[in-house]
Amino acid sequence: VIWMTQSPSLLSASTGDRVIISCRMSQGISSYLAWYQQKPGKAPELLIYAASTLQSGVPSRFSGSGSGTDFTLTISCLQSEDFATYYCQQYYSFPQTFGQGTKVEIK
Amino acid sequence: EVQLVESGGGLVQPGGSLRLSCAASGFTFSSYWMSWVRQAPGKGLEWVANIKQDGSEKYYVDSVKGRFTISRDNAKNSLYLQMNSLRAEDTAVYYCARDSAEAVAGWDDYWGQGTLVTVSS
Repeated sequence: VIWMTQSPSLLSASTGDRVIISCRMSQGISSYLAWYQQKPGKAPELLIYAASTLQSGVPSRFSGSGSGTDFTLTISCLQSEDFATYYCQQYYSFPQTFGQGTKVEIK
Repeated sequence: EVQLVESGGGLVQPGGSLRLSCAASGFTFSSYWMSWVRQAPGKGLEWVANIKQDGSEKYYVDSVKGRFTISRDNAKNSLYLQMNSLRAEDTAVYYCARDSAEAVAGWDDYWGQGTLVTVSS
């Protein structure tokens, strides 16, 4: 099983801030990583796949980077609609695993 | 438009069974891996199972192996999750998701709205 450490678990930020969320793997996964956004009561939505490829329709203020064991999701200029919980997911091997989640809240 | 609609959730006693369904539309269902992902109340996401396009490969998280069975009917554009010997810790919203169109599983680009399974006496 590949273990994932996502940090921070809670992030307080203001509109316009640059936000960085980290995801660290217990072993290398090349670029087999996705990022999702989830709002309360809603299904998750795909933001990024293959570590850095932006899903169609996702604003360009979202970006992903990393490979191997260390990955980051960056929101360059936080908007009001970005306050949500974010999850990383590795699909390098089964069982697929998700990070614990990062809740981005209003400061 | 891609649509995934789950059904079959509800209240069940510990040790009981439930069968979830996911009706897919708006894409060629038989060309995609499909996933079940769950989320316990107030908790994070947990991958449950994946099934390959033709049903020839199935994978499960350890906690459900031997109790849950993922299956699909490509003629009916439907995905299923048969859940037996249910436990309180299986209580969650269960999401159906579209996975990869490749030979290997990948990310989930479309998700249903979820169906709530509550295991309680």
